[in-house]
Amino acid sequence: GAVVSQHPSRVICKSGTSVKIECRSLDFQATTMFWYRQFPKQSLMLMATSNEGSKATYEQGVEKDKFLINHASLTLSTLTVTSAHPEDSSFYICSARVASGFGDTDTQYFGPGTRLTVL
Amino acid sequence: AQSVTQPDIHITVSEGASLELRCNYSYGATPYLFWYVQSPGQGLQLLLKYFSGDTLVQGIKGFEAEFKRSQSSFNLRKPSVHWSDAAEYFCAVGSTGFQKLVFGTGTRLLVSP
Repeated sequence: GAVVSQHPSRVICKSGTSVKIECRSLDFQATTMFWYRQFPKQSLMLMATSNEGSKATYEQGVEKDKFLINHASLTLSTLTVTSAHPEDSSFYICSARVASGFGDTDTQYFGPGTRLTVL
Repeated sequence: AQSVTQPDIHITVSEGASLELRCNYSYGATPYLFWYVQSPGQGLQLLLKYFSGDTLVQGIKGFEAEFKRSQSSFNLRKPSVHWSDAAEYFCAVGSTGFQKLVFGTGTRLLVSP
């Protein structure tokens, strides 16, 4: 149980284009989803927290107009990197927190990550 | 503010030997503590967690961790390491009410034959 998927697993795009990454909780409902960014050989840095049906809360220093987050349902959150540039190349990982009544609400379950390369 | 320190960037252990990965946290209240493992190019898998109760917690894959409040530590242990344990290990702390995690910088485990 508690499986989180991400799509795509890898994406290469040209500078200036936008890229959408999907994060789905497959067998549970998630009221809260989190988006992290991981640079090579470094730790995970939280970018934003999204709650279903409301605006995402961004961490300090994260551009909300560049990294658009939508959490339209209890099983899907999307991250759109707008006007991507090479410095946006990174490994993006989402996680989901189980909704109350569906299990352990105090644990985040992580997706497999998406490798974004901007040329 | 919460913070996590993993003092060892790399550790090399012989297969079959015991393992201990160190984690120290800073948090004013009772912390929620986690250990995750990440294989190359993959997401994070939860190994174990501590919220309250017994300070020695058992996890998957034969791992255990001990919460020591006096030392602000939550070290991960395994009595006998397998080659498949080679990966990056992250310690994380979450707050009560739990809206977000703060991760340590990770420890890369290498297993020698």
